Amino acid sequence: EAGVVQSPRYKIIEKKQPVAFWCNPISGHNTLYWYLQNLGQGPELLIRYENEEAVDDSQLPKDRFSAERLKGVDSTLKIQPAELGDSAVYLCASSARGPGELFFGEGSRLTVL
Amino acid sequence: SQQGEEDPQALSIQEGENATMNCSYKTSINNLQWYRQNSGRGLVHLILIRSNEREKHSGRLRVTLDTSKKSSSLLITASRAADTASYFCATNGGSQGNLIFGKGTKLSVKP
Repeated sequence: EAGVVQSPRYKIIEKKQPVAFWCNPISGHNTLYWYLQNLGQGPELLIRYENEEAVDDSQLPKDRFSAERLKGVDSTLKIQPAELGDSAVYLCASSARGPGELFFGEGSRLTVL
Repeated sequence: SQQGEEDPQALSIQEGENATMNCSYKTSINNLQWYRQNSGRGLVHLILIRSNEREKHSGRLRVTLDTSKKSSSLLITASRAADTASYFCATNGGSQGNLIFGKGTKLSVKP
């Protein structure tokens, strides 16, 4: 069984440029999460989906961040425009239902210059 | 926001020794989970303990939960160099039911 797939693994952009991250969760997993992880810190929740509905996006900075999960499967997280402080690892995770065991992807490491 | 607080922040031991990491949290929980993260990789689920459980084992891992003290501990017995990683506790509770992670303990096991 394939795990959670994220792309790209690494992205370097200039500030003010847009960037997008893609996540393919484990087949059949209804719940999808996007977390942000700064260096030396634990993951912080950005948004949680139940199927295609964003049930908690309270921590998503909506002025520059957006996310979508069309058809309740793949998800895309976008930042436009990126700022220096957005440099971090963006982790996607999925679970069969709710916050039981989470399965994480390898993450997308963003560097904003 | 991060609810869990791991202690110590960093731990360095010799191979064969036991490693103990602690986690404290602030609000009531449904369950508490421990995850491991190797450098540059994603997190891997280790063990889940429910609020009505006090102790759980999985291989060389032993987790305890004290809901009265709002704390948990992860014990890794007979550590190996391959156990070198960061370990995070994560709590599930509240109306949203999200999983909230602590800042982690960085474990280094020297051969």
